[in-house]
Amino acid sequence: GENVEQHPSTLSVQEGDSAVIKCTYSDSASNYFPWYKQELGKGPQLIIDIRSNVGEKKDQRIAVTLNKTAKHFSLHITETQPEDSAVYFCAARVNFGNEKLTFGTGTRLTIIP
Amino acid sequence: NAGVTQTPKFQVLKTGQSMTLQCAQDMNHNSMYWYRQDPGMGLRLIYYSASEGTTDKGEVPNGYNVSRLNKREFSLRLESAAPSQTSVYFCASGGHGGYQETQYFGPGTRLLVL
Repeated sequence: GENVEQHPSTLSVQEGDSAVIKCTYSDSASNYFPWYKQELGKGPQLIIDIRSNVGEKKDQRIAVTLNKTAKHFSLHITETQPEDSAVYFCAARVNFGNEKLTFGTGTRLTIIP
Repeated sequence: NAGVTQTPKFQVLKTGQSMTLQCAQDMNHNSMYWYRQDPGMGLRLIYYSASEGTTDKGEVPNGYNVSRLNKREFSLRLESAAPSQTSVYFCASGGHGGYQETQYFGPGTRLLVL
């Protein structure tokens, strides 16, 4: 089955700096890659996603890049703010029409004021 | 819209007791999921239901049963709780096929088994 690895497990950055979280996946048939943000005591919330026919996608301060050849994708957060502090999860879905996601183990991001 | 709702929010059980976690969604999604979240393990799929009337095992189904009661509701049952089932449980729902694969999560149920 699909295997998703996520790095780093913890990340601290100064407010205003950029943060990058990286994930690799094992199955070249994966075609959908969402990123979730989980705040303390809450459920994960989708913040951005990308499909295999796109190399990069941006939404304000958040961007995701996908390298299908290397089988890795990354989350980029620019101009970080204290409210960006949370746990971030990447995920991958194999095959069109297969709704199951495989998640990475999460990155705890701390923004230092 | 309330999205995905879960009850209860917290529960303490003794080993061997049973309980049912409830989940409901009002987004008219076909697919529903149960995950457990443990420190350092990410989110692991317990069971899922691709449509009303169907259920399938995920990565960690042992010790659990599920019921897709109707399109809106998907329950998770622990018949005989064990300390290893202490976890946070999340229900999610999502579309079926095409580009409707985004999953939306509920707020979670925190379960402690003593």
